[in-house]
Amino acid sequence: AQSVSQHNHHVILSEAASLELGCNYSYGGTVNLFWYVQYPGQHLQLLLKYFSGDPLVKGIKGFEAEFIKSKFSFNLRKPSVQWSDTAEYFCAVNALTGGGNKLTFGTGTQLKVEL
Amino acid sequence: NAGVTQTPKFRVLKTGQSMTLLCAQDMNHEYMYWYRQDPGMGLRLIHYSVGEGTTAKGEVPDGYNVSRLKKQNFLLGLESAAPSQTSVYFCASSYDRGQGNEQFFGPGTRLTVL
Repeated sequence: AQSVSQHNHHVILSEAASLELGCNYSYGGTVNLFWYVQYPGQHLQLLLKYFSGDPLVKGIKGFEAEFIKSKFSFNLRKPSVQWSDTAEYFCAVNALTGGGNKLTFGTGTQLKVEL
Repeated sequence: NAGVTQTPKFRVLKTGQSMTLLCAQDMNHEYMYWYRQDPGMGLRLIHYSVGEGTTAKGEVPDGYNVSRLKKQNFLLGLESAAPSQTSVYFCASSYDRGQGNEQFFGPGTRLTVL
């Protein structure tokens, strides 16, 4: 079974600092990868996704992620965070093995950006 | 285009009571899902459906039942609620695999079981 690890559970940054959130997955086959964001009191929204092609994926609000197949990683980055980026971030993977379209989520990283 | 909607938004139950959560989507998606979100545990899949009339178990199905009688609706039932089912429940939907399987989420239902 596939699994997803997010090693940073809580991250606190000052505005304008750079961000990198780690995500590793365990599955040896073809995968689709996602980062979702959940702002306080809101539902999950898609930040970006990787299906194939260029391993550097750009998403909304200046976020990007790099798929490194050899490291089973899909880390999220942003060069300069803003206070409004305070949210919980979830990495998710869909292993293309058949049997539906199921995502496995990581446990999430709570990001707090201080002014 | 409302996307994915969920009712109710909040509910408090006593142990042993039953209830049904309703999820509706207007995007003509084939796949629908129910997740629960608990602190420090991310989202865990309860049940899912790959089409009208079909359902399947996810990671944590015990204590829940689902039905997909219409393509646009996916119901989650708790027959006899337990305090361990206190959680936030999210419904999601997606196209089939060919569309890249991005899931679209509803606003959630916060359930407390006393």
